[in-house]
Formats: sequence, C-alpha cells, structure tokens
Amino acid sequence: DAGITQSPRHKVTETGTPVTLRCHQTENHRYMYWYRQDPGHGLRLIHYSYGVKDTDKGEVSDGYSVSRSKTEDFLLTLESATSSQTSVYFCAISGGQGIILETQYFGPGTRLLVL
Amino acid sequence: QKEVEQNSGPLSVPEGAIASLNCTYSDRGSQSFFWYRQYSGKSPELIMFIYSNGDKEDGRFTAQLNKASQYVSLLIRDSQPSDSATYLCAVFTGGGNKLTFGTGTQLKVEL
Repeated sequence: DAGITQSPRHKVTETGTPVTLRCHQTENHRYMYWYRQDPGHGLRLIHYSYGVKDTDKGEVSDGYSVSRSKTEDFLLTLESATSSQTSVYFCAISGGQGIILETQYFGPGTRLLVL
Repeated sequence: QKEVEQNSGPLSVPEGAIASLNCTYSDRGSQSFFWYRQYSGKSPELIMFIYSNGDKEDGRFTAQLNKASQYVSLLIRDSQPSDSATYLCAVFTGGGNKLTFGTGTQLKVEL
C-alpha cells in the first residue's frame, strides 16, 4: 500500500451525523486524493490536495469537505451523512520522488455504511 | 460520452491463454495511461503505465498504446486463476495531476 493507511477501515453511522475519514501517508508524496467507488460508477474523485492547505474539488464533491494541515494527513469529512454516501472510500497519493508524478498509489479503503 | 471507456465484462479466458483488455479515451491531449488491478474487496494496485505509442512489456503483462486511435490495451500472457480481478484503465490529461478512471473490466480465468 505504499505506506498509506486509512482509518477507520469500516464504519456504520446514521443519517445526519458528521463523519471524518483519515488518510495517512509516510511517503512524503505531494498529492493526495479521495475517491469513492460504487458499482457501475467506478472510481470517482471527491477532492484532492496538491500541498499543505491546498485543496480542490473533484467531480463528486457535494456534501464533502477536506483538510490537509500536514503533508502526511488528508481528512475527508461528510458534513451530514446521507444514505447516498454509503460507499467504499479510497485515498491515493502521488508525486513521490523518482517516479512519474501522476502515478497514484492507493490506500486499503474505508467501507462506510450510512443507515 | 464517457471520458474513459472499458467493457465491463466479465471477460472469461481459459488458463494459459492470452487475455486482452481494452480501453478507449476521448481526450486527444491525454499524456499517460495506467493499468490497475483490483481484487474483490481490495484496493487498486498499479500494474504498469505507458506514455509512448507502441508496446511496453513487464513480465507477463504488455501494455499497448495507439494515440491516433485513442486506445490502450493490456495483454496478459499465460493467464492464471490468480489474474482473475477487475482491471481499471486510467488516463492522465495533465490537469491538476488527476487521473480519470474507467469503470473496469472484470476478468475471469477459468481452469
């Protein structure tokens, strides 16, 4: 997993509650990404970061926010969880030294169920 | 039109055969192309990337790129049951260091 961890790995929550997922890397990669993966839709980018405190929206950012206060940590927050946000969430990193800048490596994923 | 298209499959091949997985993309400015393998319940793992027209070989895997026709393919020689997985094609077009993923092709290698 290229030194990437995600926490929690599994979470069950109720509609309307806030949820925060954490991605932690030990690779010192510049870029970090949050994706969701759903059947029939593949991987869809939620938000990404191109440096500490530098973030931008992806294609499915509504209802999500992110923060990156340190190189190694990228947090994804569901401000008020809805059942449509039940999904598998993957963090990815890129921008390491000695490899093609855009090559992404994925964390193990977080399975989120919103009841 | 989706930016990156893959046949969802499943593609079934017998053990020992060559599996051919295809991917087309819409942006002619795409610069580099990636193949990931994803086992059920696991995260995508990088197999290989290609950015020049032609073939690139890595063990039993060969990536083929044809920019004029806007397609990239992955050949798996001597397919094994352990190759049974979903294969994701991803394309880099240069904006924001982002990749665009296809929905994946499920490969089944049968004994």
